[in-house]
Amino acid sequence: AQSVTQPDIHITVSEGASLELRCNYSYGATPYLFWYVQSPGQGLQLLLKYFSGDTLVQGIKGFEAEFKRSQSSFNLRKPSVHWSDAAEYFCAVEGDSSYKLIFGSGTRLLVRP
Amino acid sequence: GAVVSQHPSWVICKSGTSVKIECRSLDFQATTMFWYRQFPKQSLMLMATSNEGSKATYEQGVEKDKFLINHASLTLSTLTVTSAHPEDSSFYICSSLTSTDTQYFGPGTRLTVL
Repeated sequence: AQSVTQPDIHITVSEGASLELRCNYSYGATPYLFWYVQSPGQGLQLLLKYFSGDTLVQGIKGFEAEFKRSQSSFNLRKPSVHWSDAAEYFCAVEGDSSYKLIFGSGTRLLVRP
Repeated sequence: GAVVSQHPSWVICKSGTSVKIECRSLDFQATTMFWYRQFPKQSLMLMATSNEGSKATYEQGVEKDKFLINHASLTLSTLTVTSAHPEDSSFYICSSLTSTDTQYFGPGTRLTVL
């Protein structure tokens, strides 16, 4: 069965520091992978997605993610975090033709001034 | 990116009443929409897949008679929570599937059942 694991429930970083949020997936073939961000009381905004091709994907707001098949990972990175990046981040996988997304449990990012 | 709206953004109702939530794709047509439920500090759980012109497909454990879904047009899907009870209180989020196989999400509807 498809699954997504985000091992970090919450992460705190200082403003200006680099960020990496971890995501591991379980799926037999090459999955479609997504990162979404959710601000408090809001819906989800798509940061980036990987379908195929270049394994380093650039997204909005300065985020990028790298697909590593050997590690079944799709970690999200940002070189310099801004206070406005504080939010909940969800990794998701779509593994079959039904377009259904399976979400990880989320990682809450806190940014220290 | 594609824009999806939901209405209302929040609703409070009495136990036993029904509540309708609308999900609209504003600048694109979507034959497929999805409805999710999110409990506080938890992830999104898919409730059902809404298909324009046909019956919705519900995930295991979701009561189709309680959560009625109607996908009347290519830009509108509605979720009706029938005979709502306090345990139905939650954050309901819809998404619309674009032609590039990407889901764009609405801002969510917070339902509180008293």
